[in-house]
Amino acid sequence: DAGVIQSPRHEVTEMGQEVTLRCKPISGHNSLFWYRQTMMRGLELLIYFNNNVPIDDSGMPEDRFSAKMPNASFSTLKIQPSEPRDSAVYFCASSLNVGGVQPQHFGDGTRLSIL
Amino acid sequence: RKEVEQDPGPFNVPEGATVAFNCTYSNSASQSFFWYRQDCRKEPKLLMSVYSSGNEDGRFTAQLNRASQYISLLIRDSKLSDSATYLCVVKVGTGRRALTFGSGTRLQVQP
Repeated sequence: DAGVIQSPRHEVTEMGQEVTLRCKPISGHNSLFWYRQTMMRGLELLIYFNNNVPIDDSGMPEDRFSAKMPNASFSTLKIQPSEPRDSAVYFCASSLNVGGVQPQHFGDGTRLSIL
Repeated sequence: RKEVEQDPGPFNVPEGATVAFNCTYSNSASQSFFWYRQDCRKEPKLLMSVYSSGNEDGRFTAQLNRASQYISLLIRDSKLSDSATYLCVVKVGTGRRALTFGSGTRLQVQP
């Protein structure tokens, strides 16, 4: 079974550059989540989509961050312009939300380093 | 106050020991509770759900105390492979709000 697929696995770039992270959720899942994890702040929810519609983006740190889900099988998280404090591991997760609470399945994450 | 609070640890225990972690949550409307496990440099994975009556899965026992607003995870006969960070996860209400993750408790099982 294909799990949640994220790309790239690692990204190192200079501050000011645009960064685009990609996620393919598990087929059939209707909820998709973007998280950021750092040692200092732990795992933080940035935004989540249900049926491709953003439901809660209150965790998006600032206007430099944007996320889209153009269809059920693809989502992007974009940072423009990037800053060193954006360095973190970014996880995408998906779940099947059909009324009960279903477990979230995480991708391997993207390790982002902004120099 | 954080919505979900955990002792970061690390908890260093010998193989075969029993170890327990607690997690407190601030919102009394929290309805669903989980423990996730995260290995070093890996993604979080669901370990077990936590049911009101408490539940067991092999060496792992999870309990919920609604009155005091905490959940616990007990690991018996700990193995080296149990070394990981254990994340407490809470969902408030039954609507479309997402899960809230604690910062995790790190467990190191030593030979």
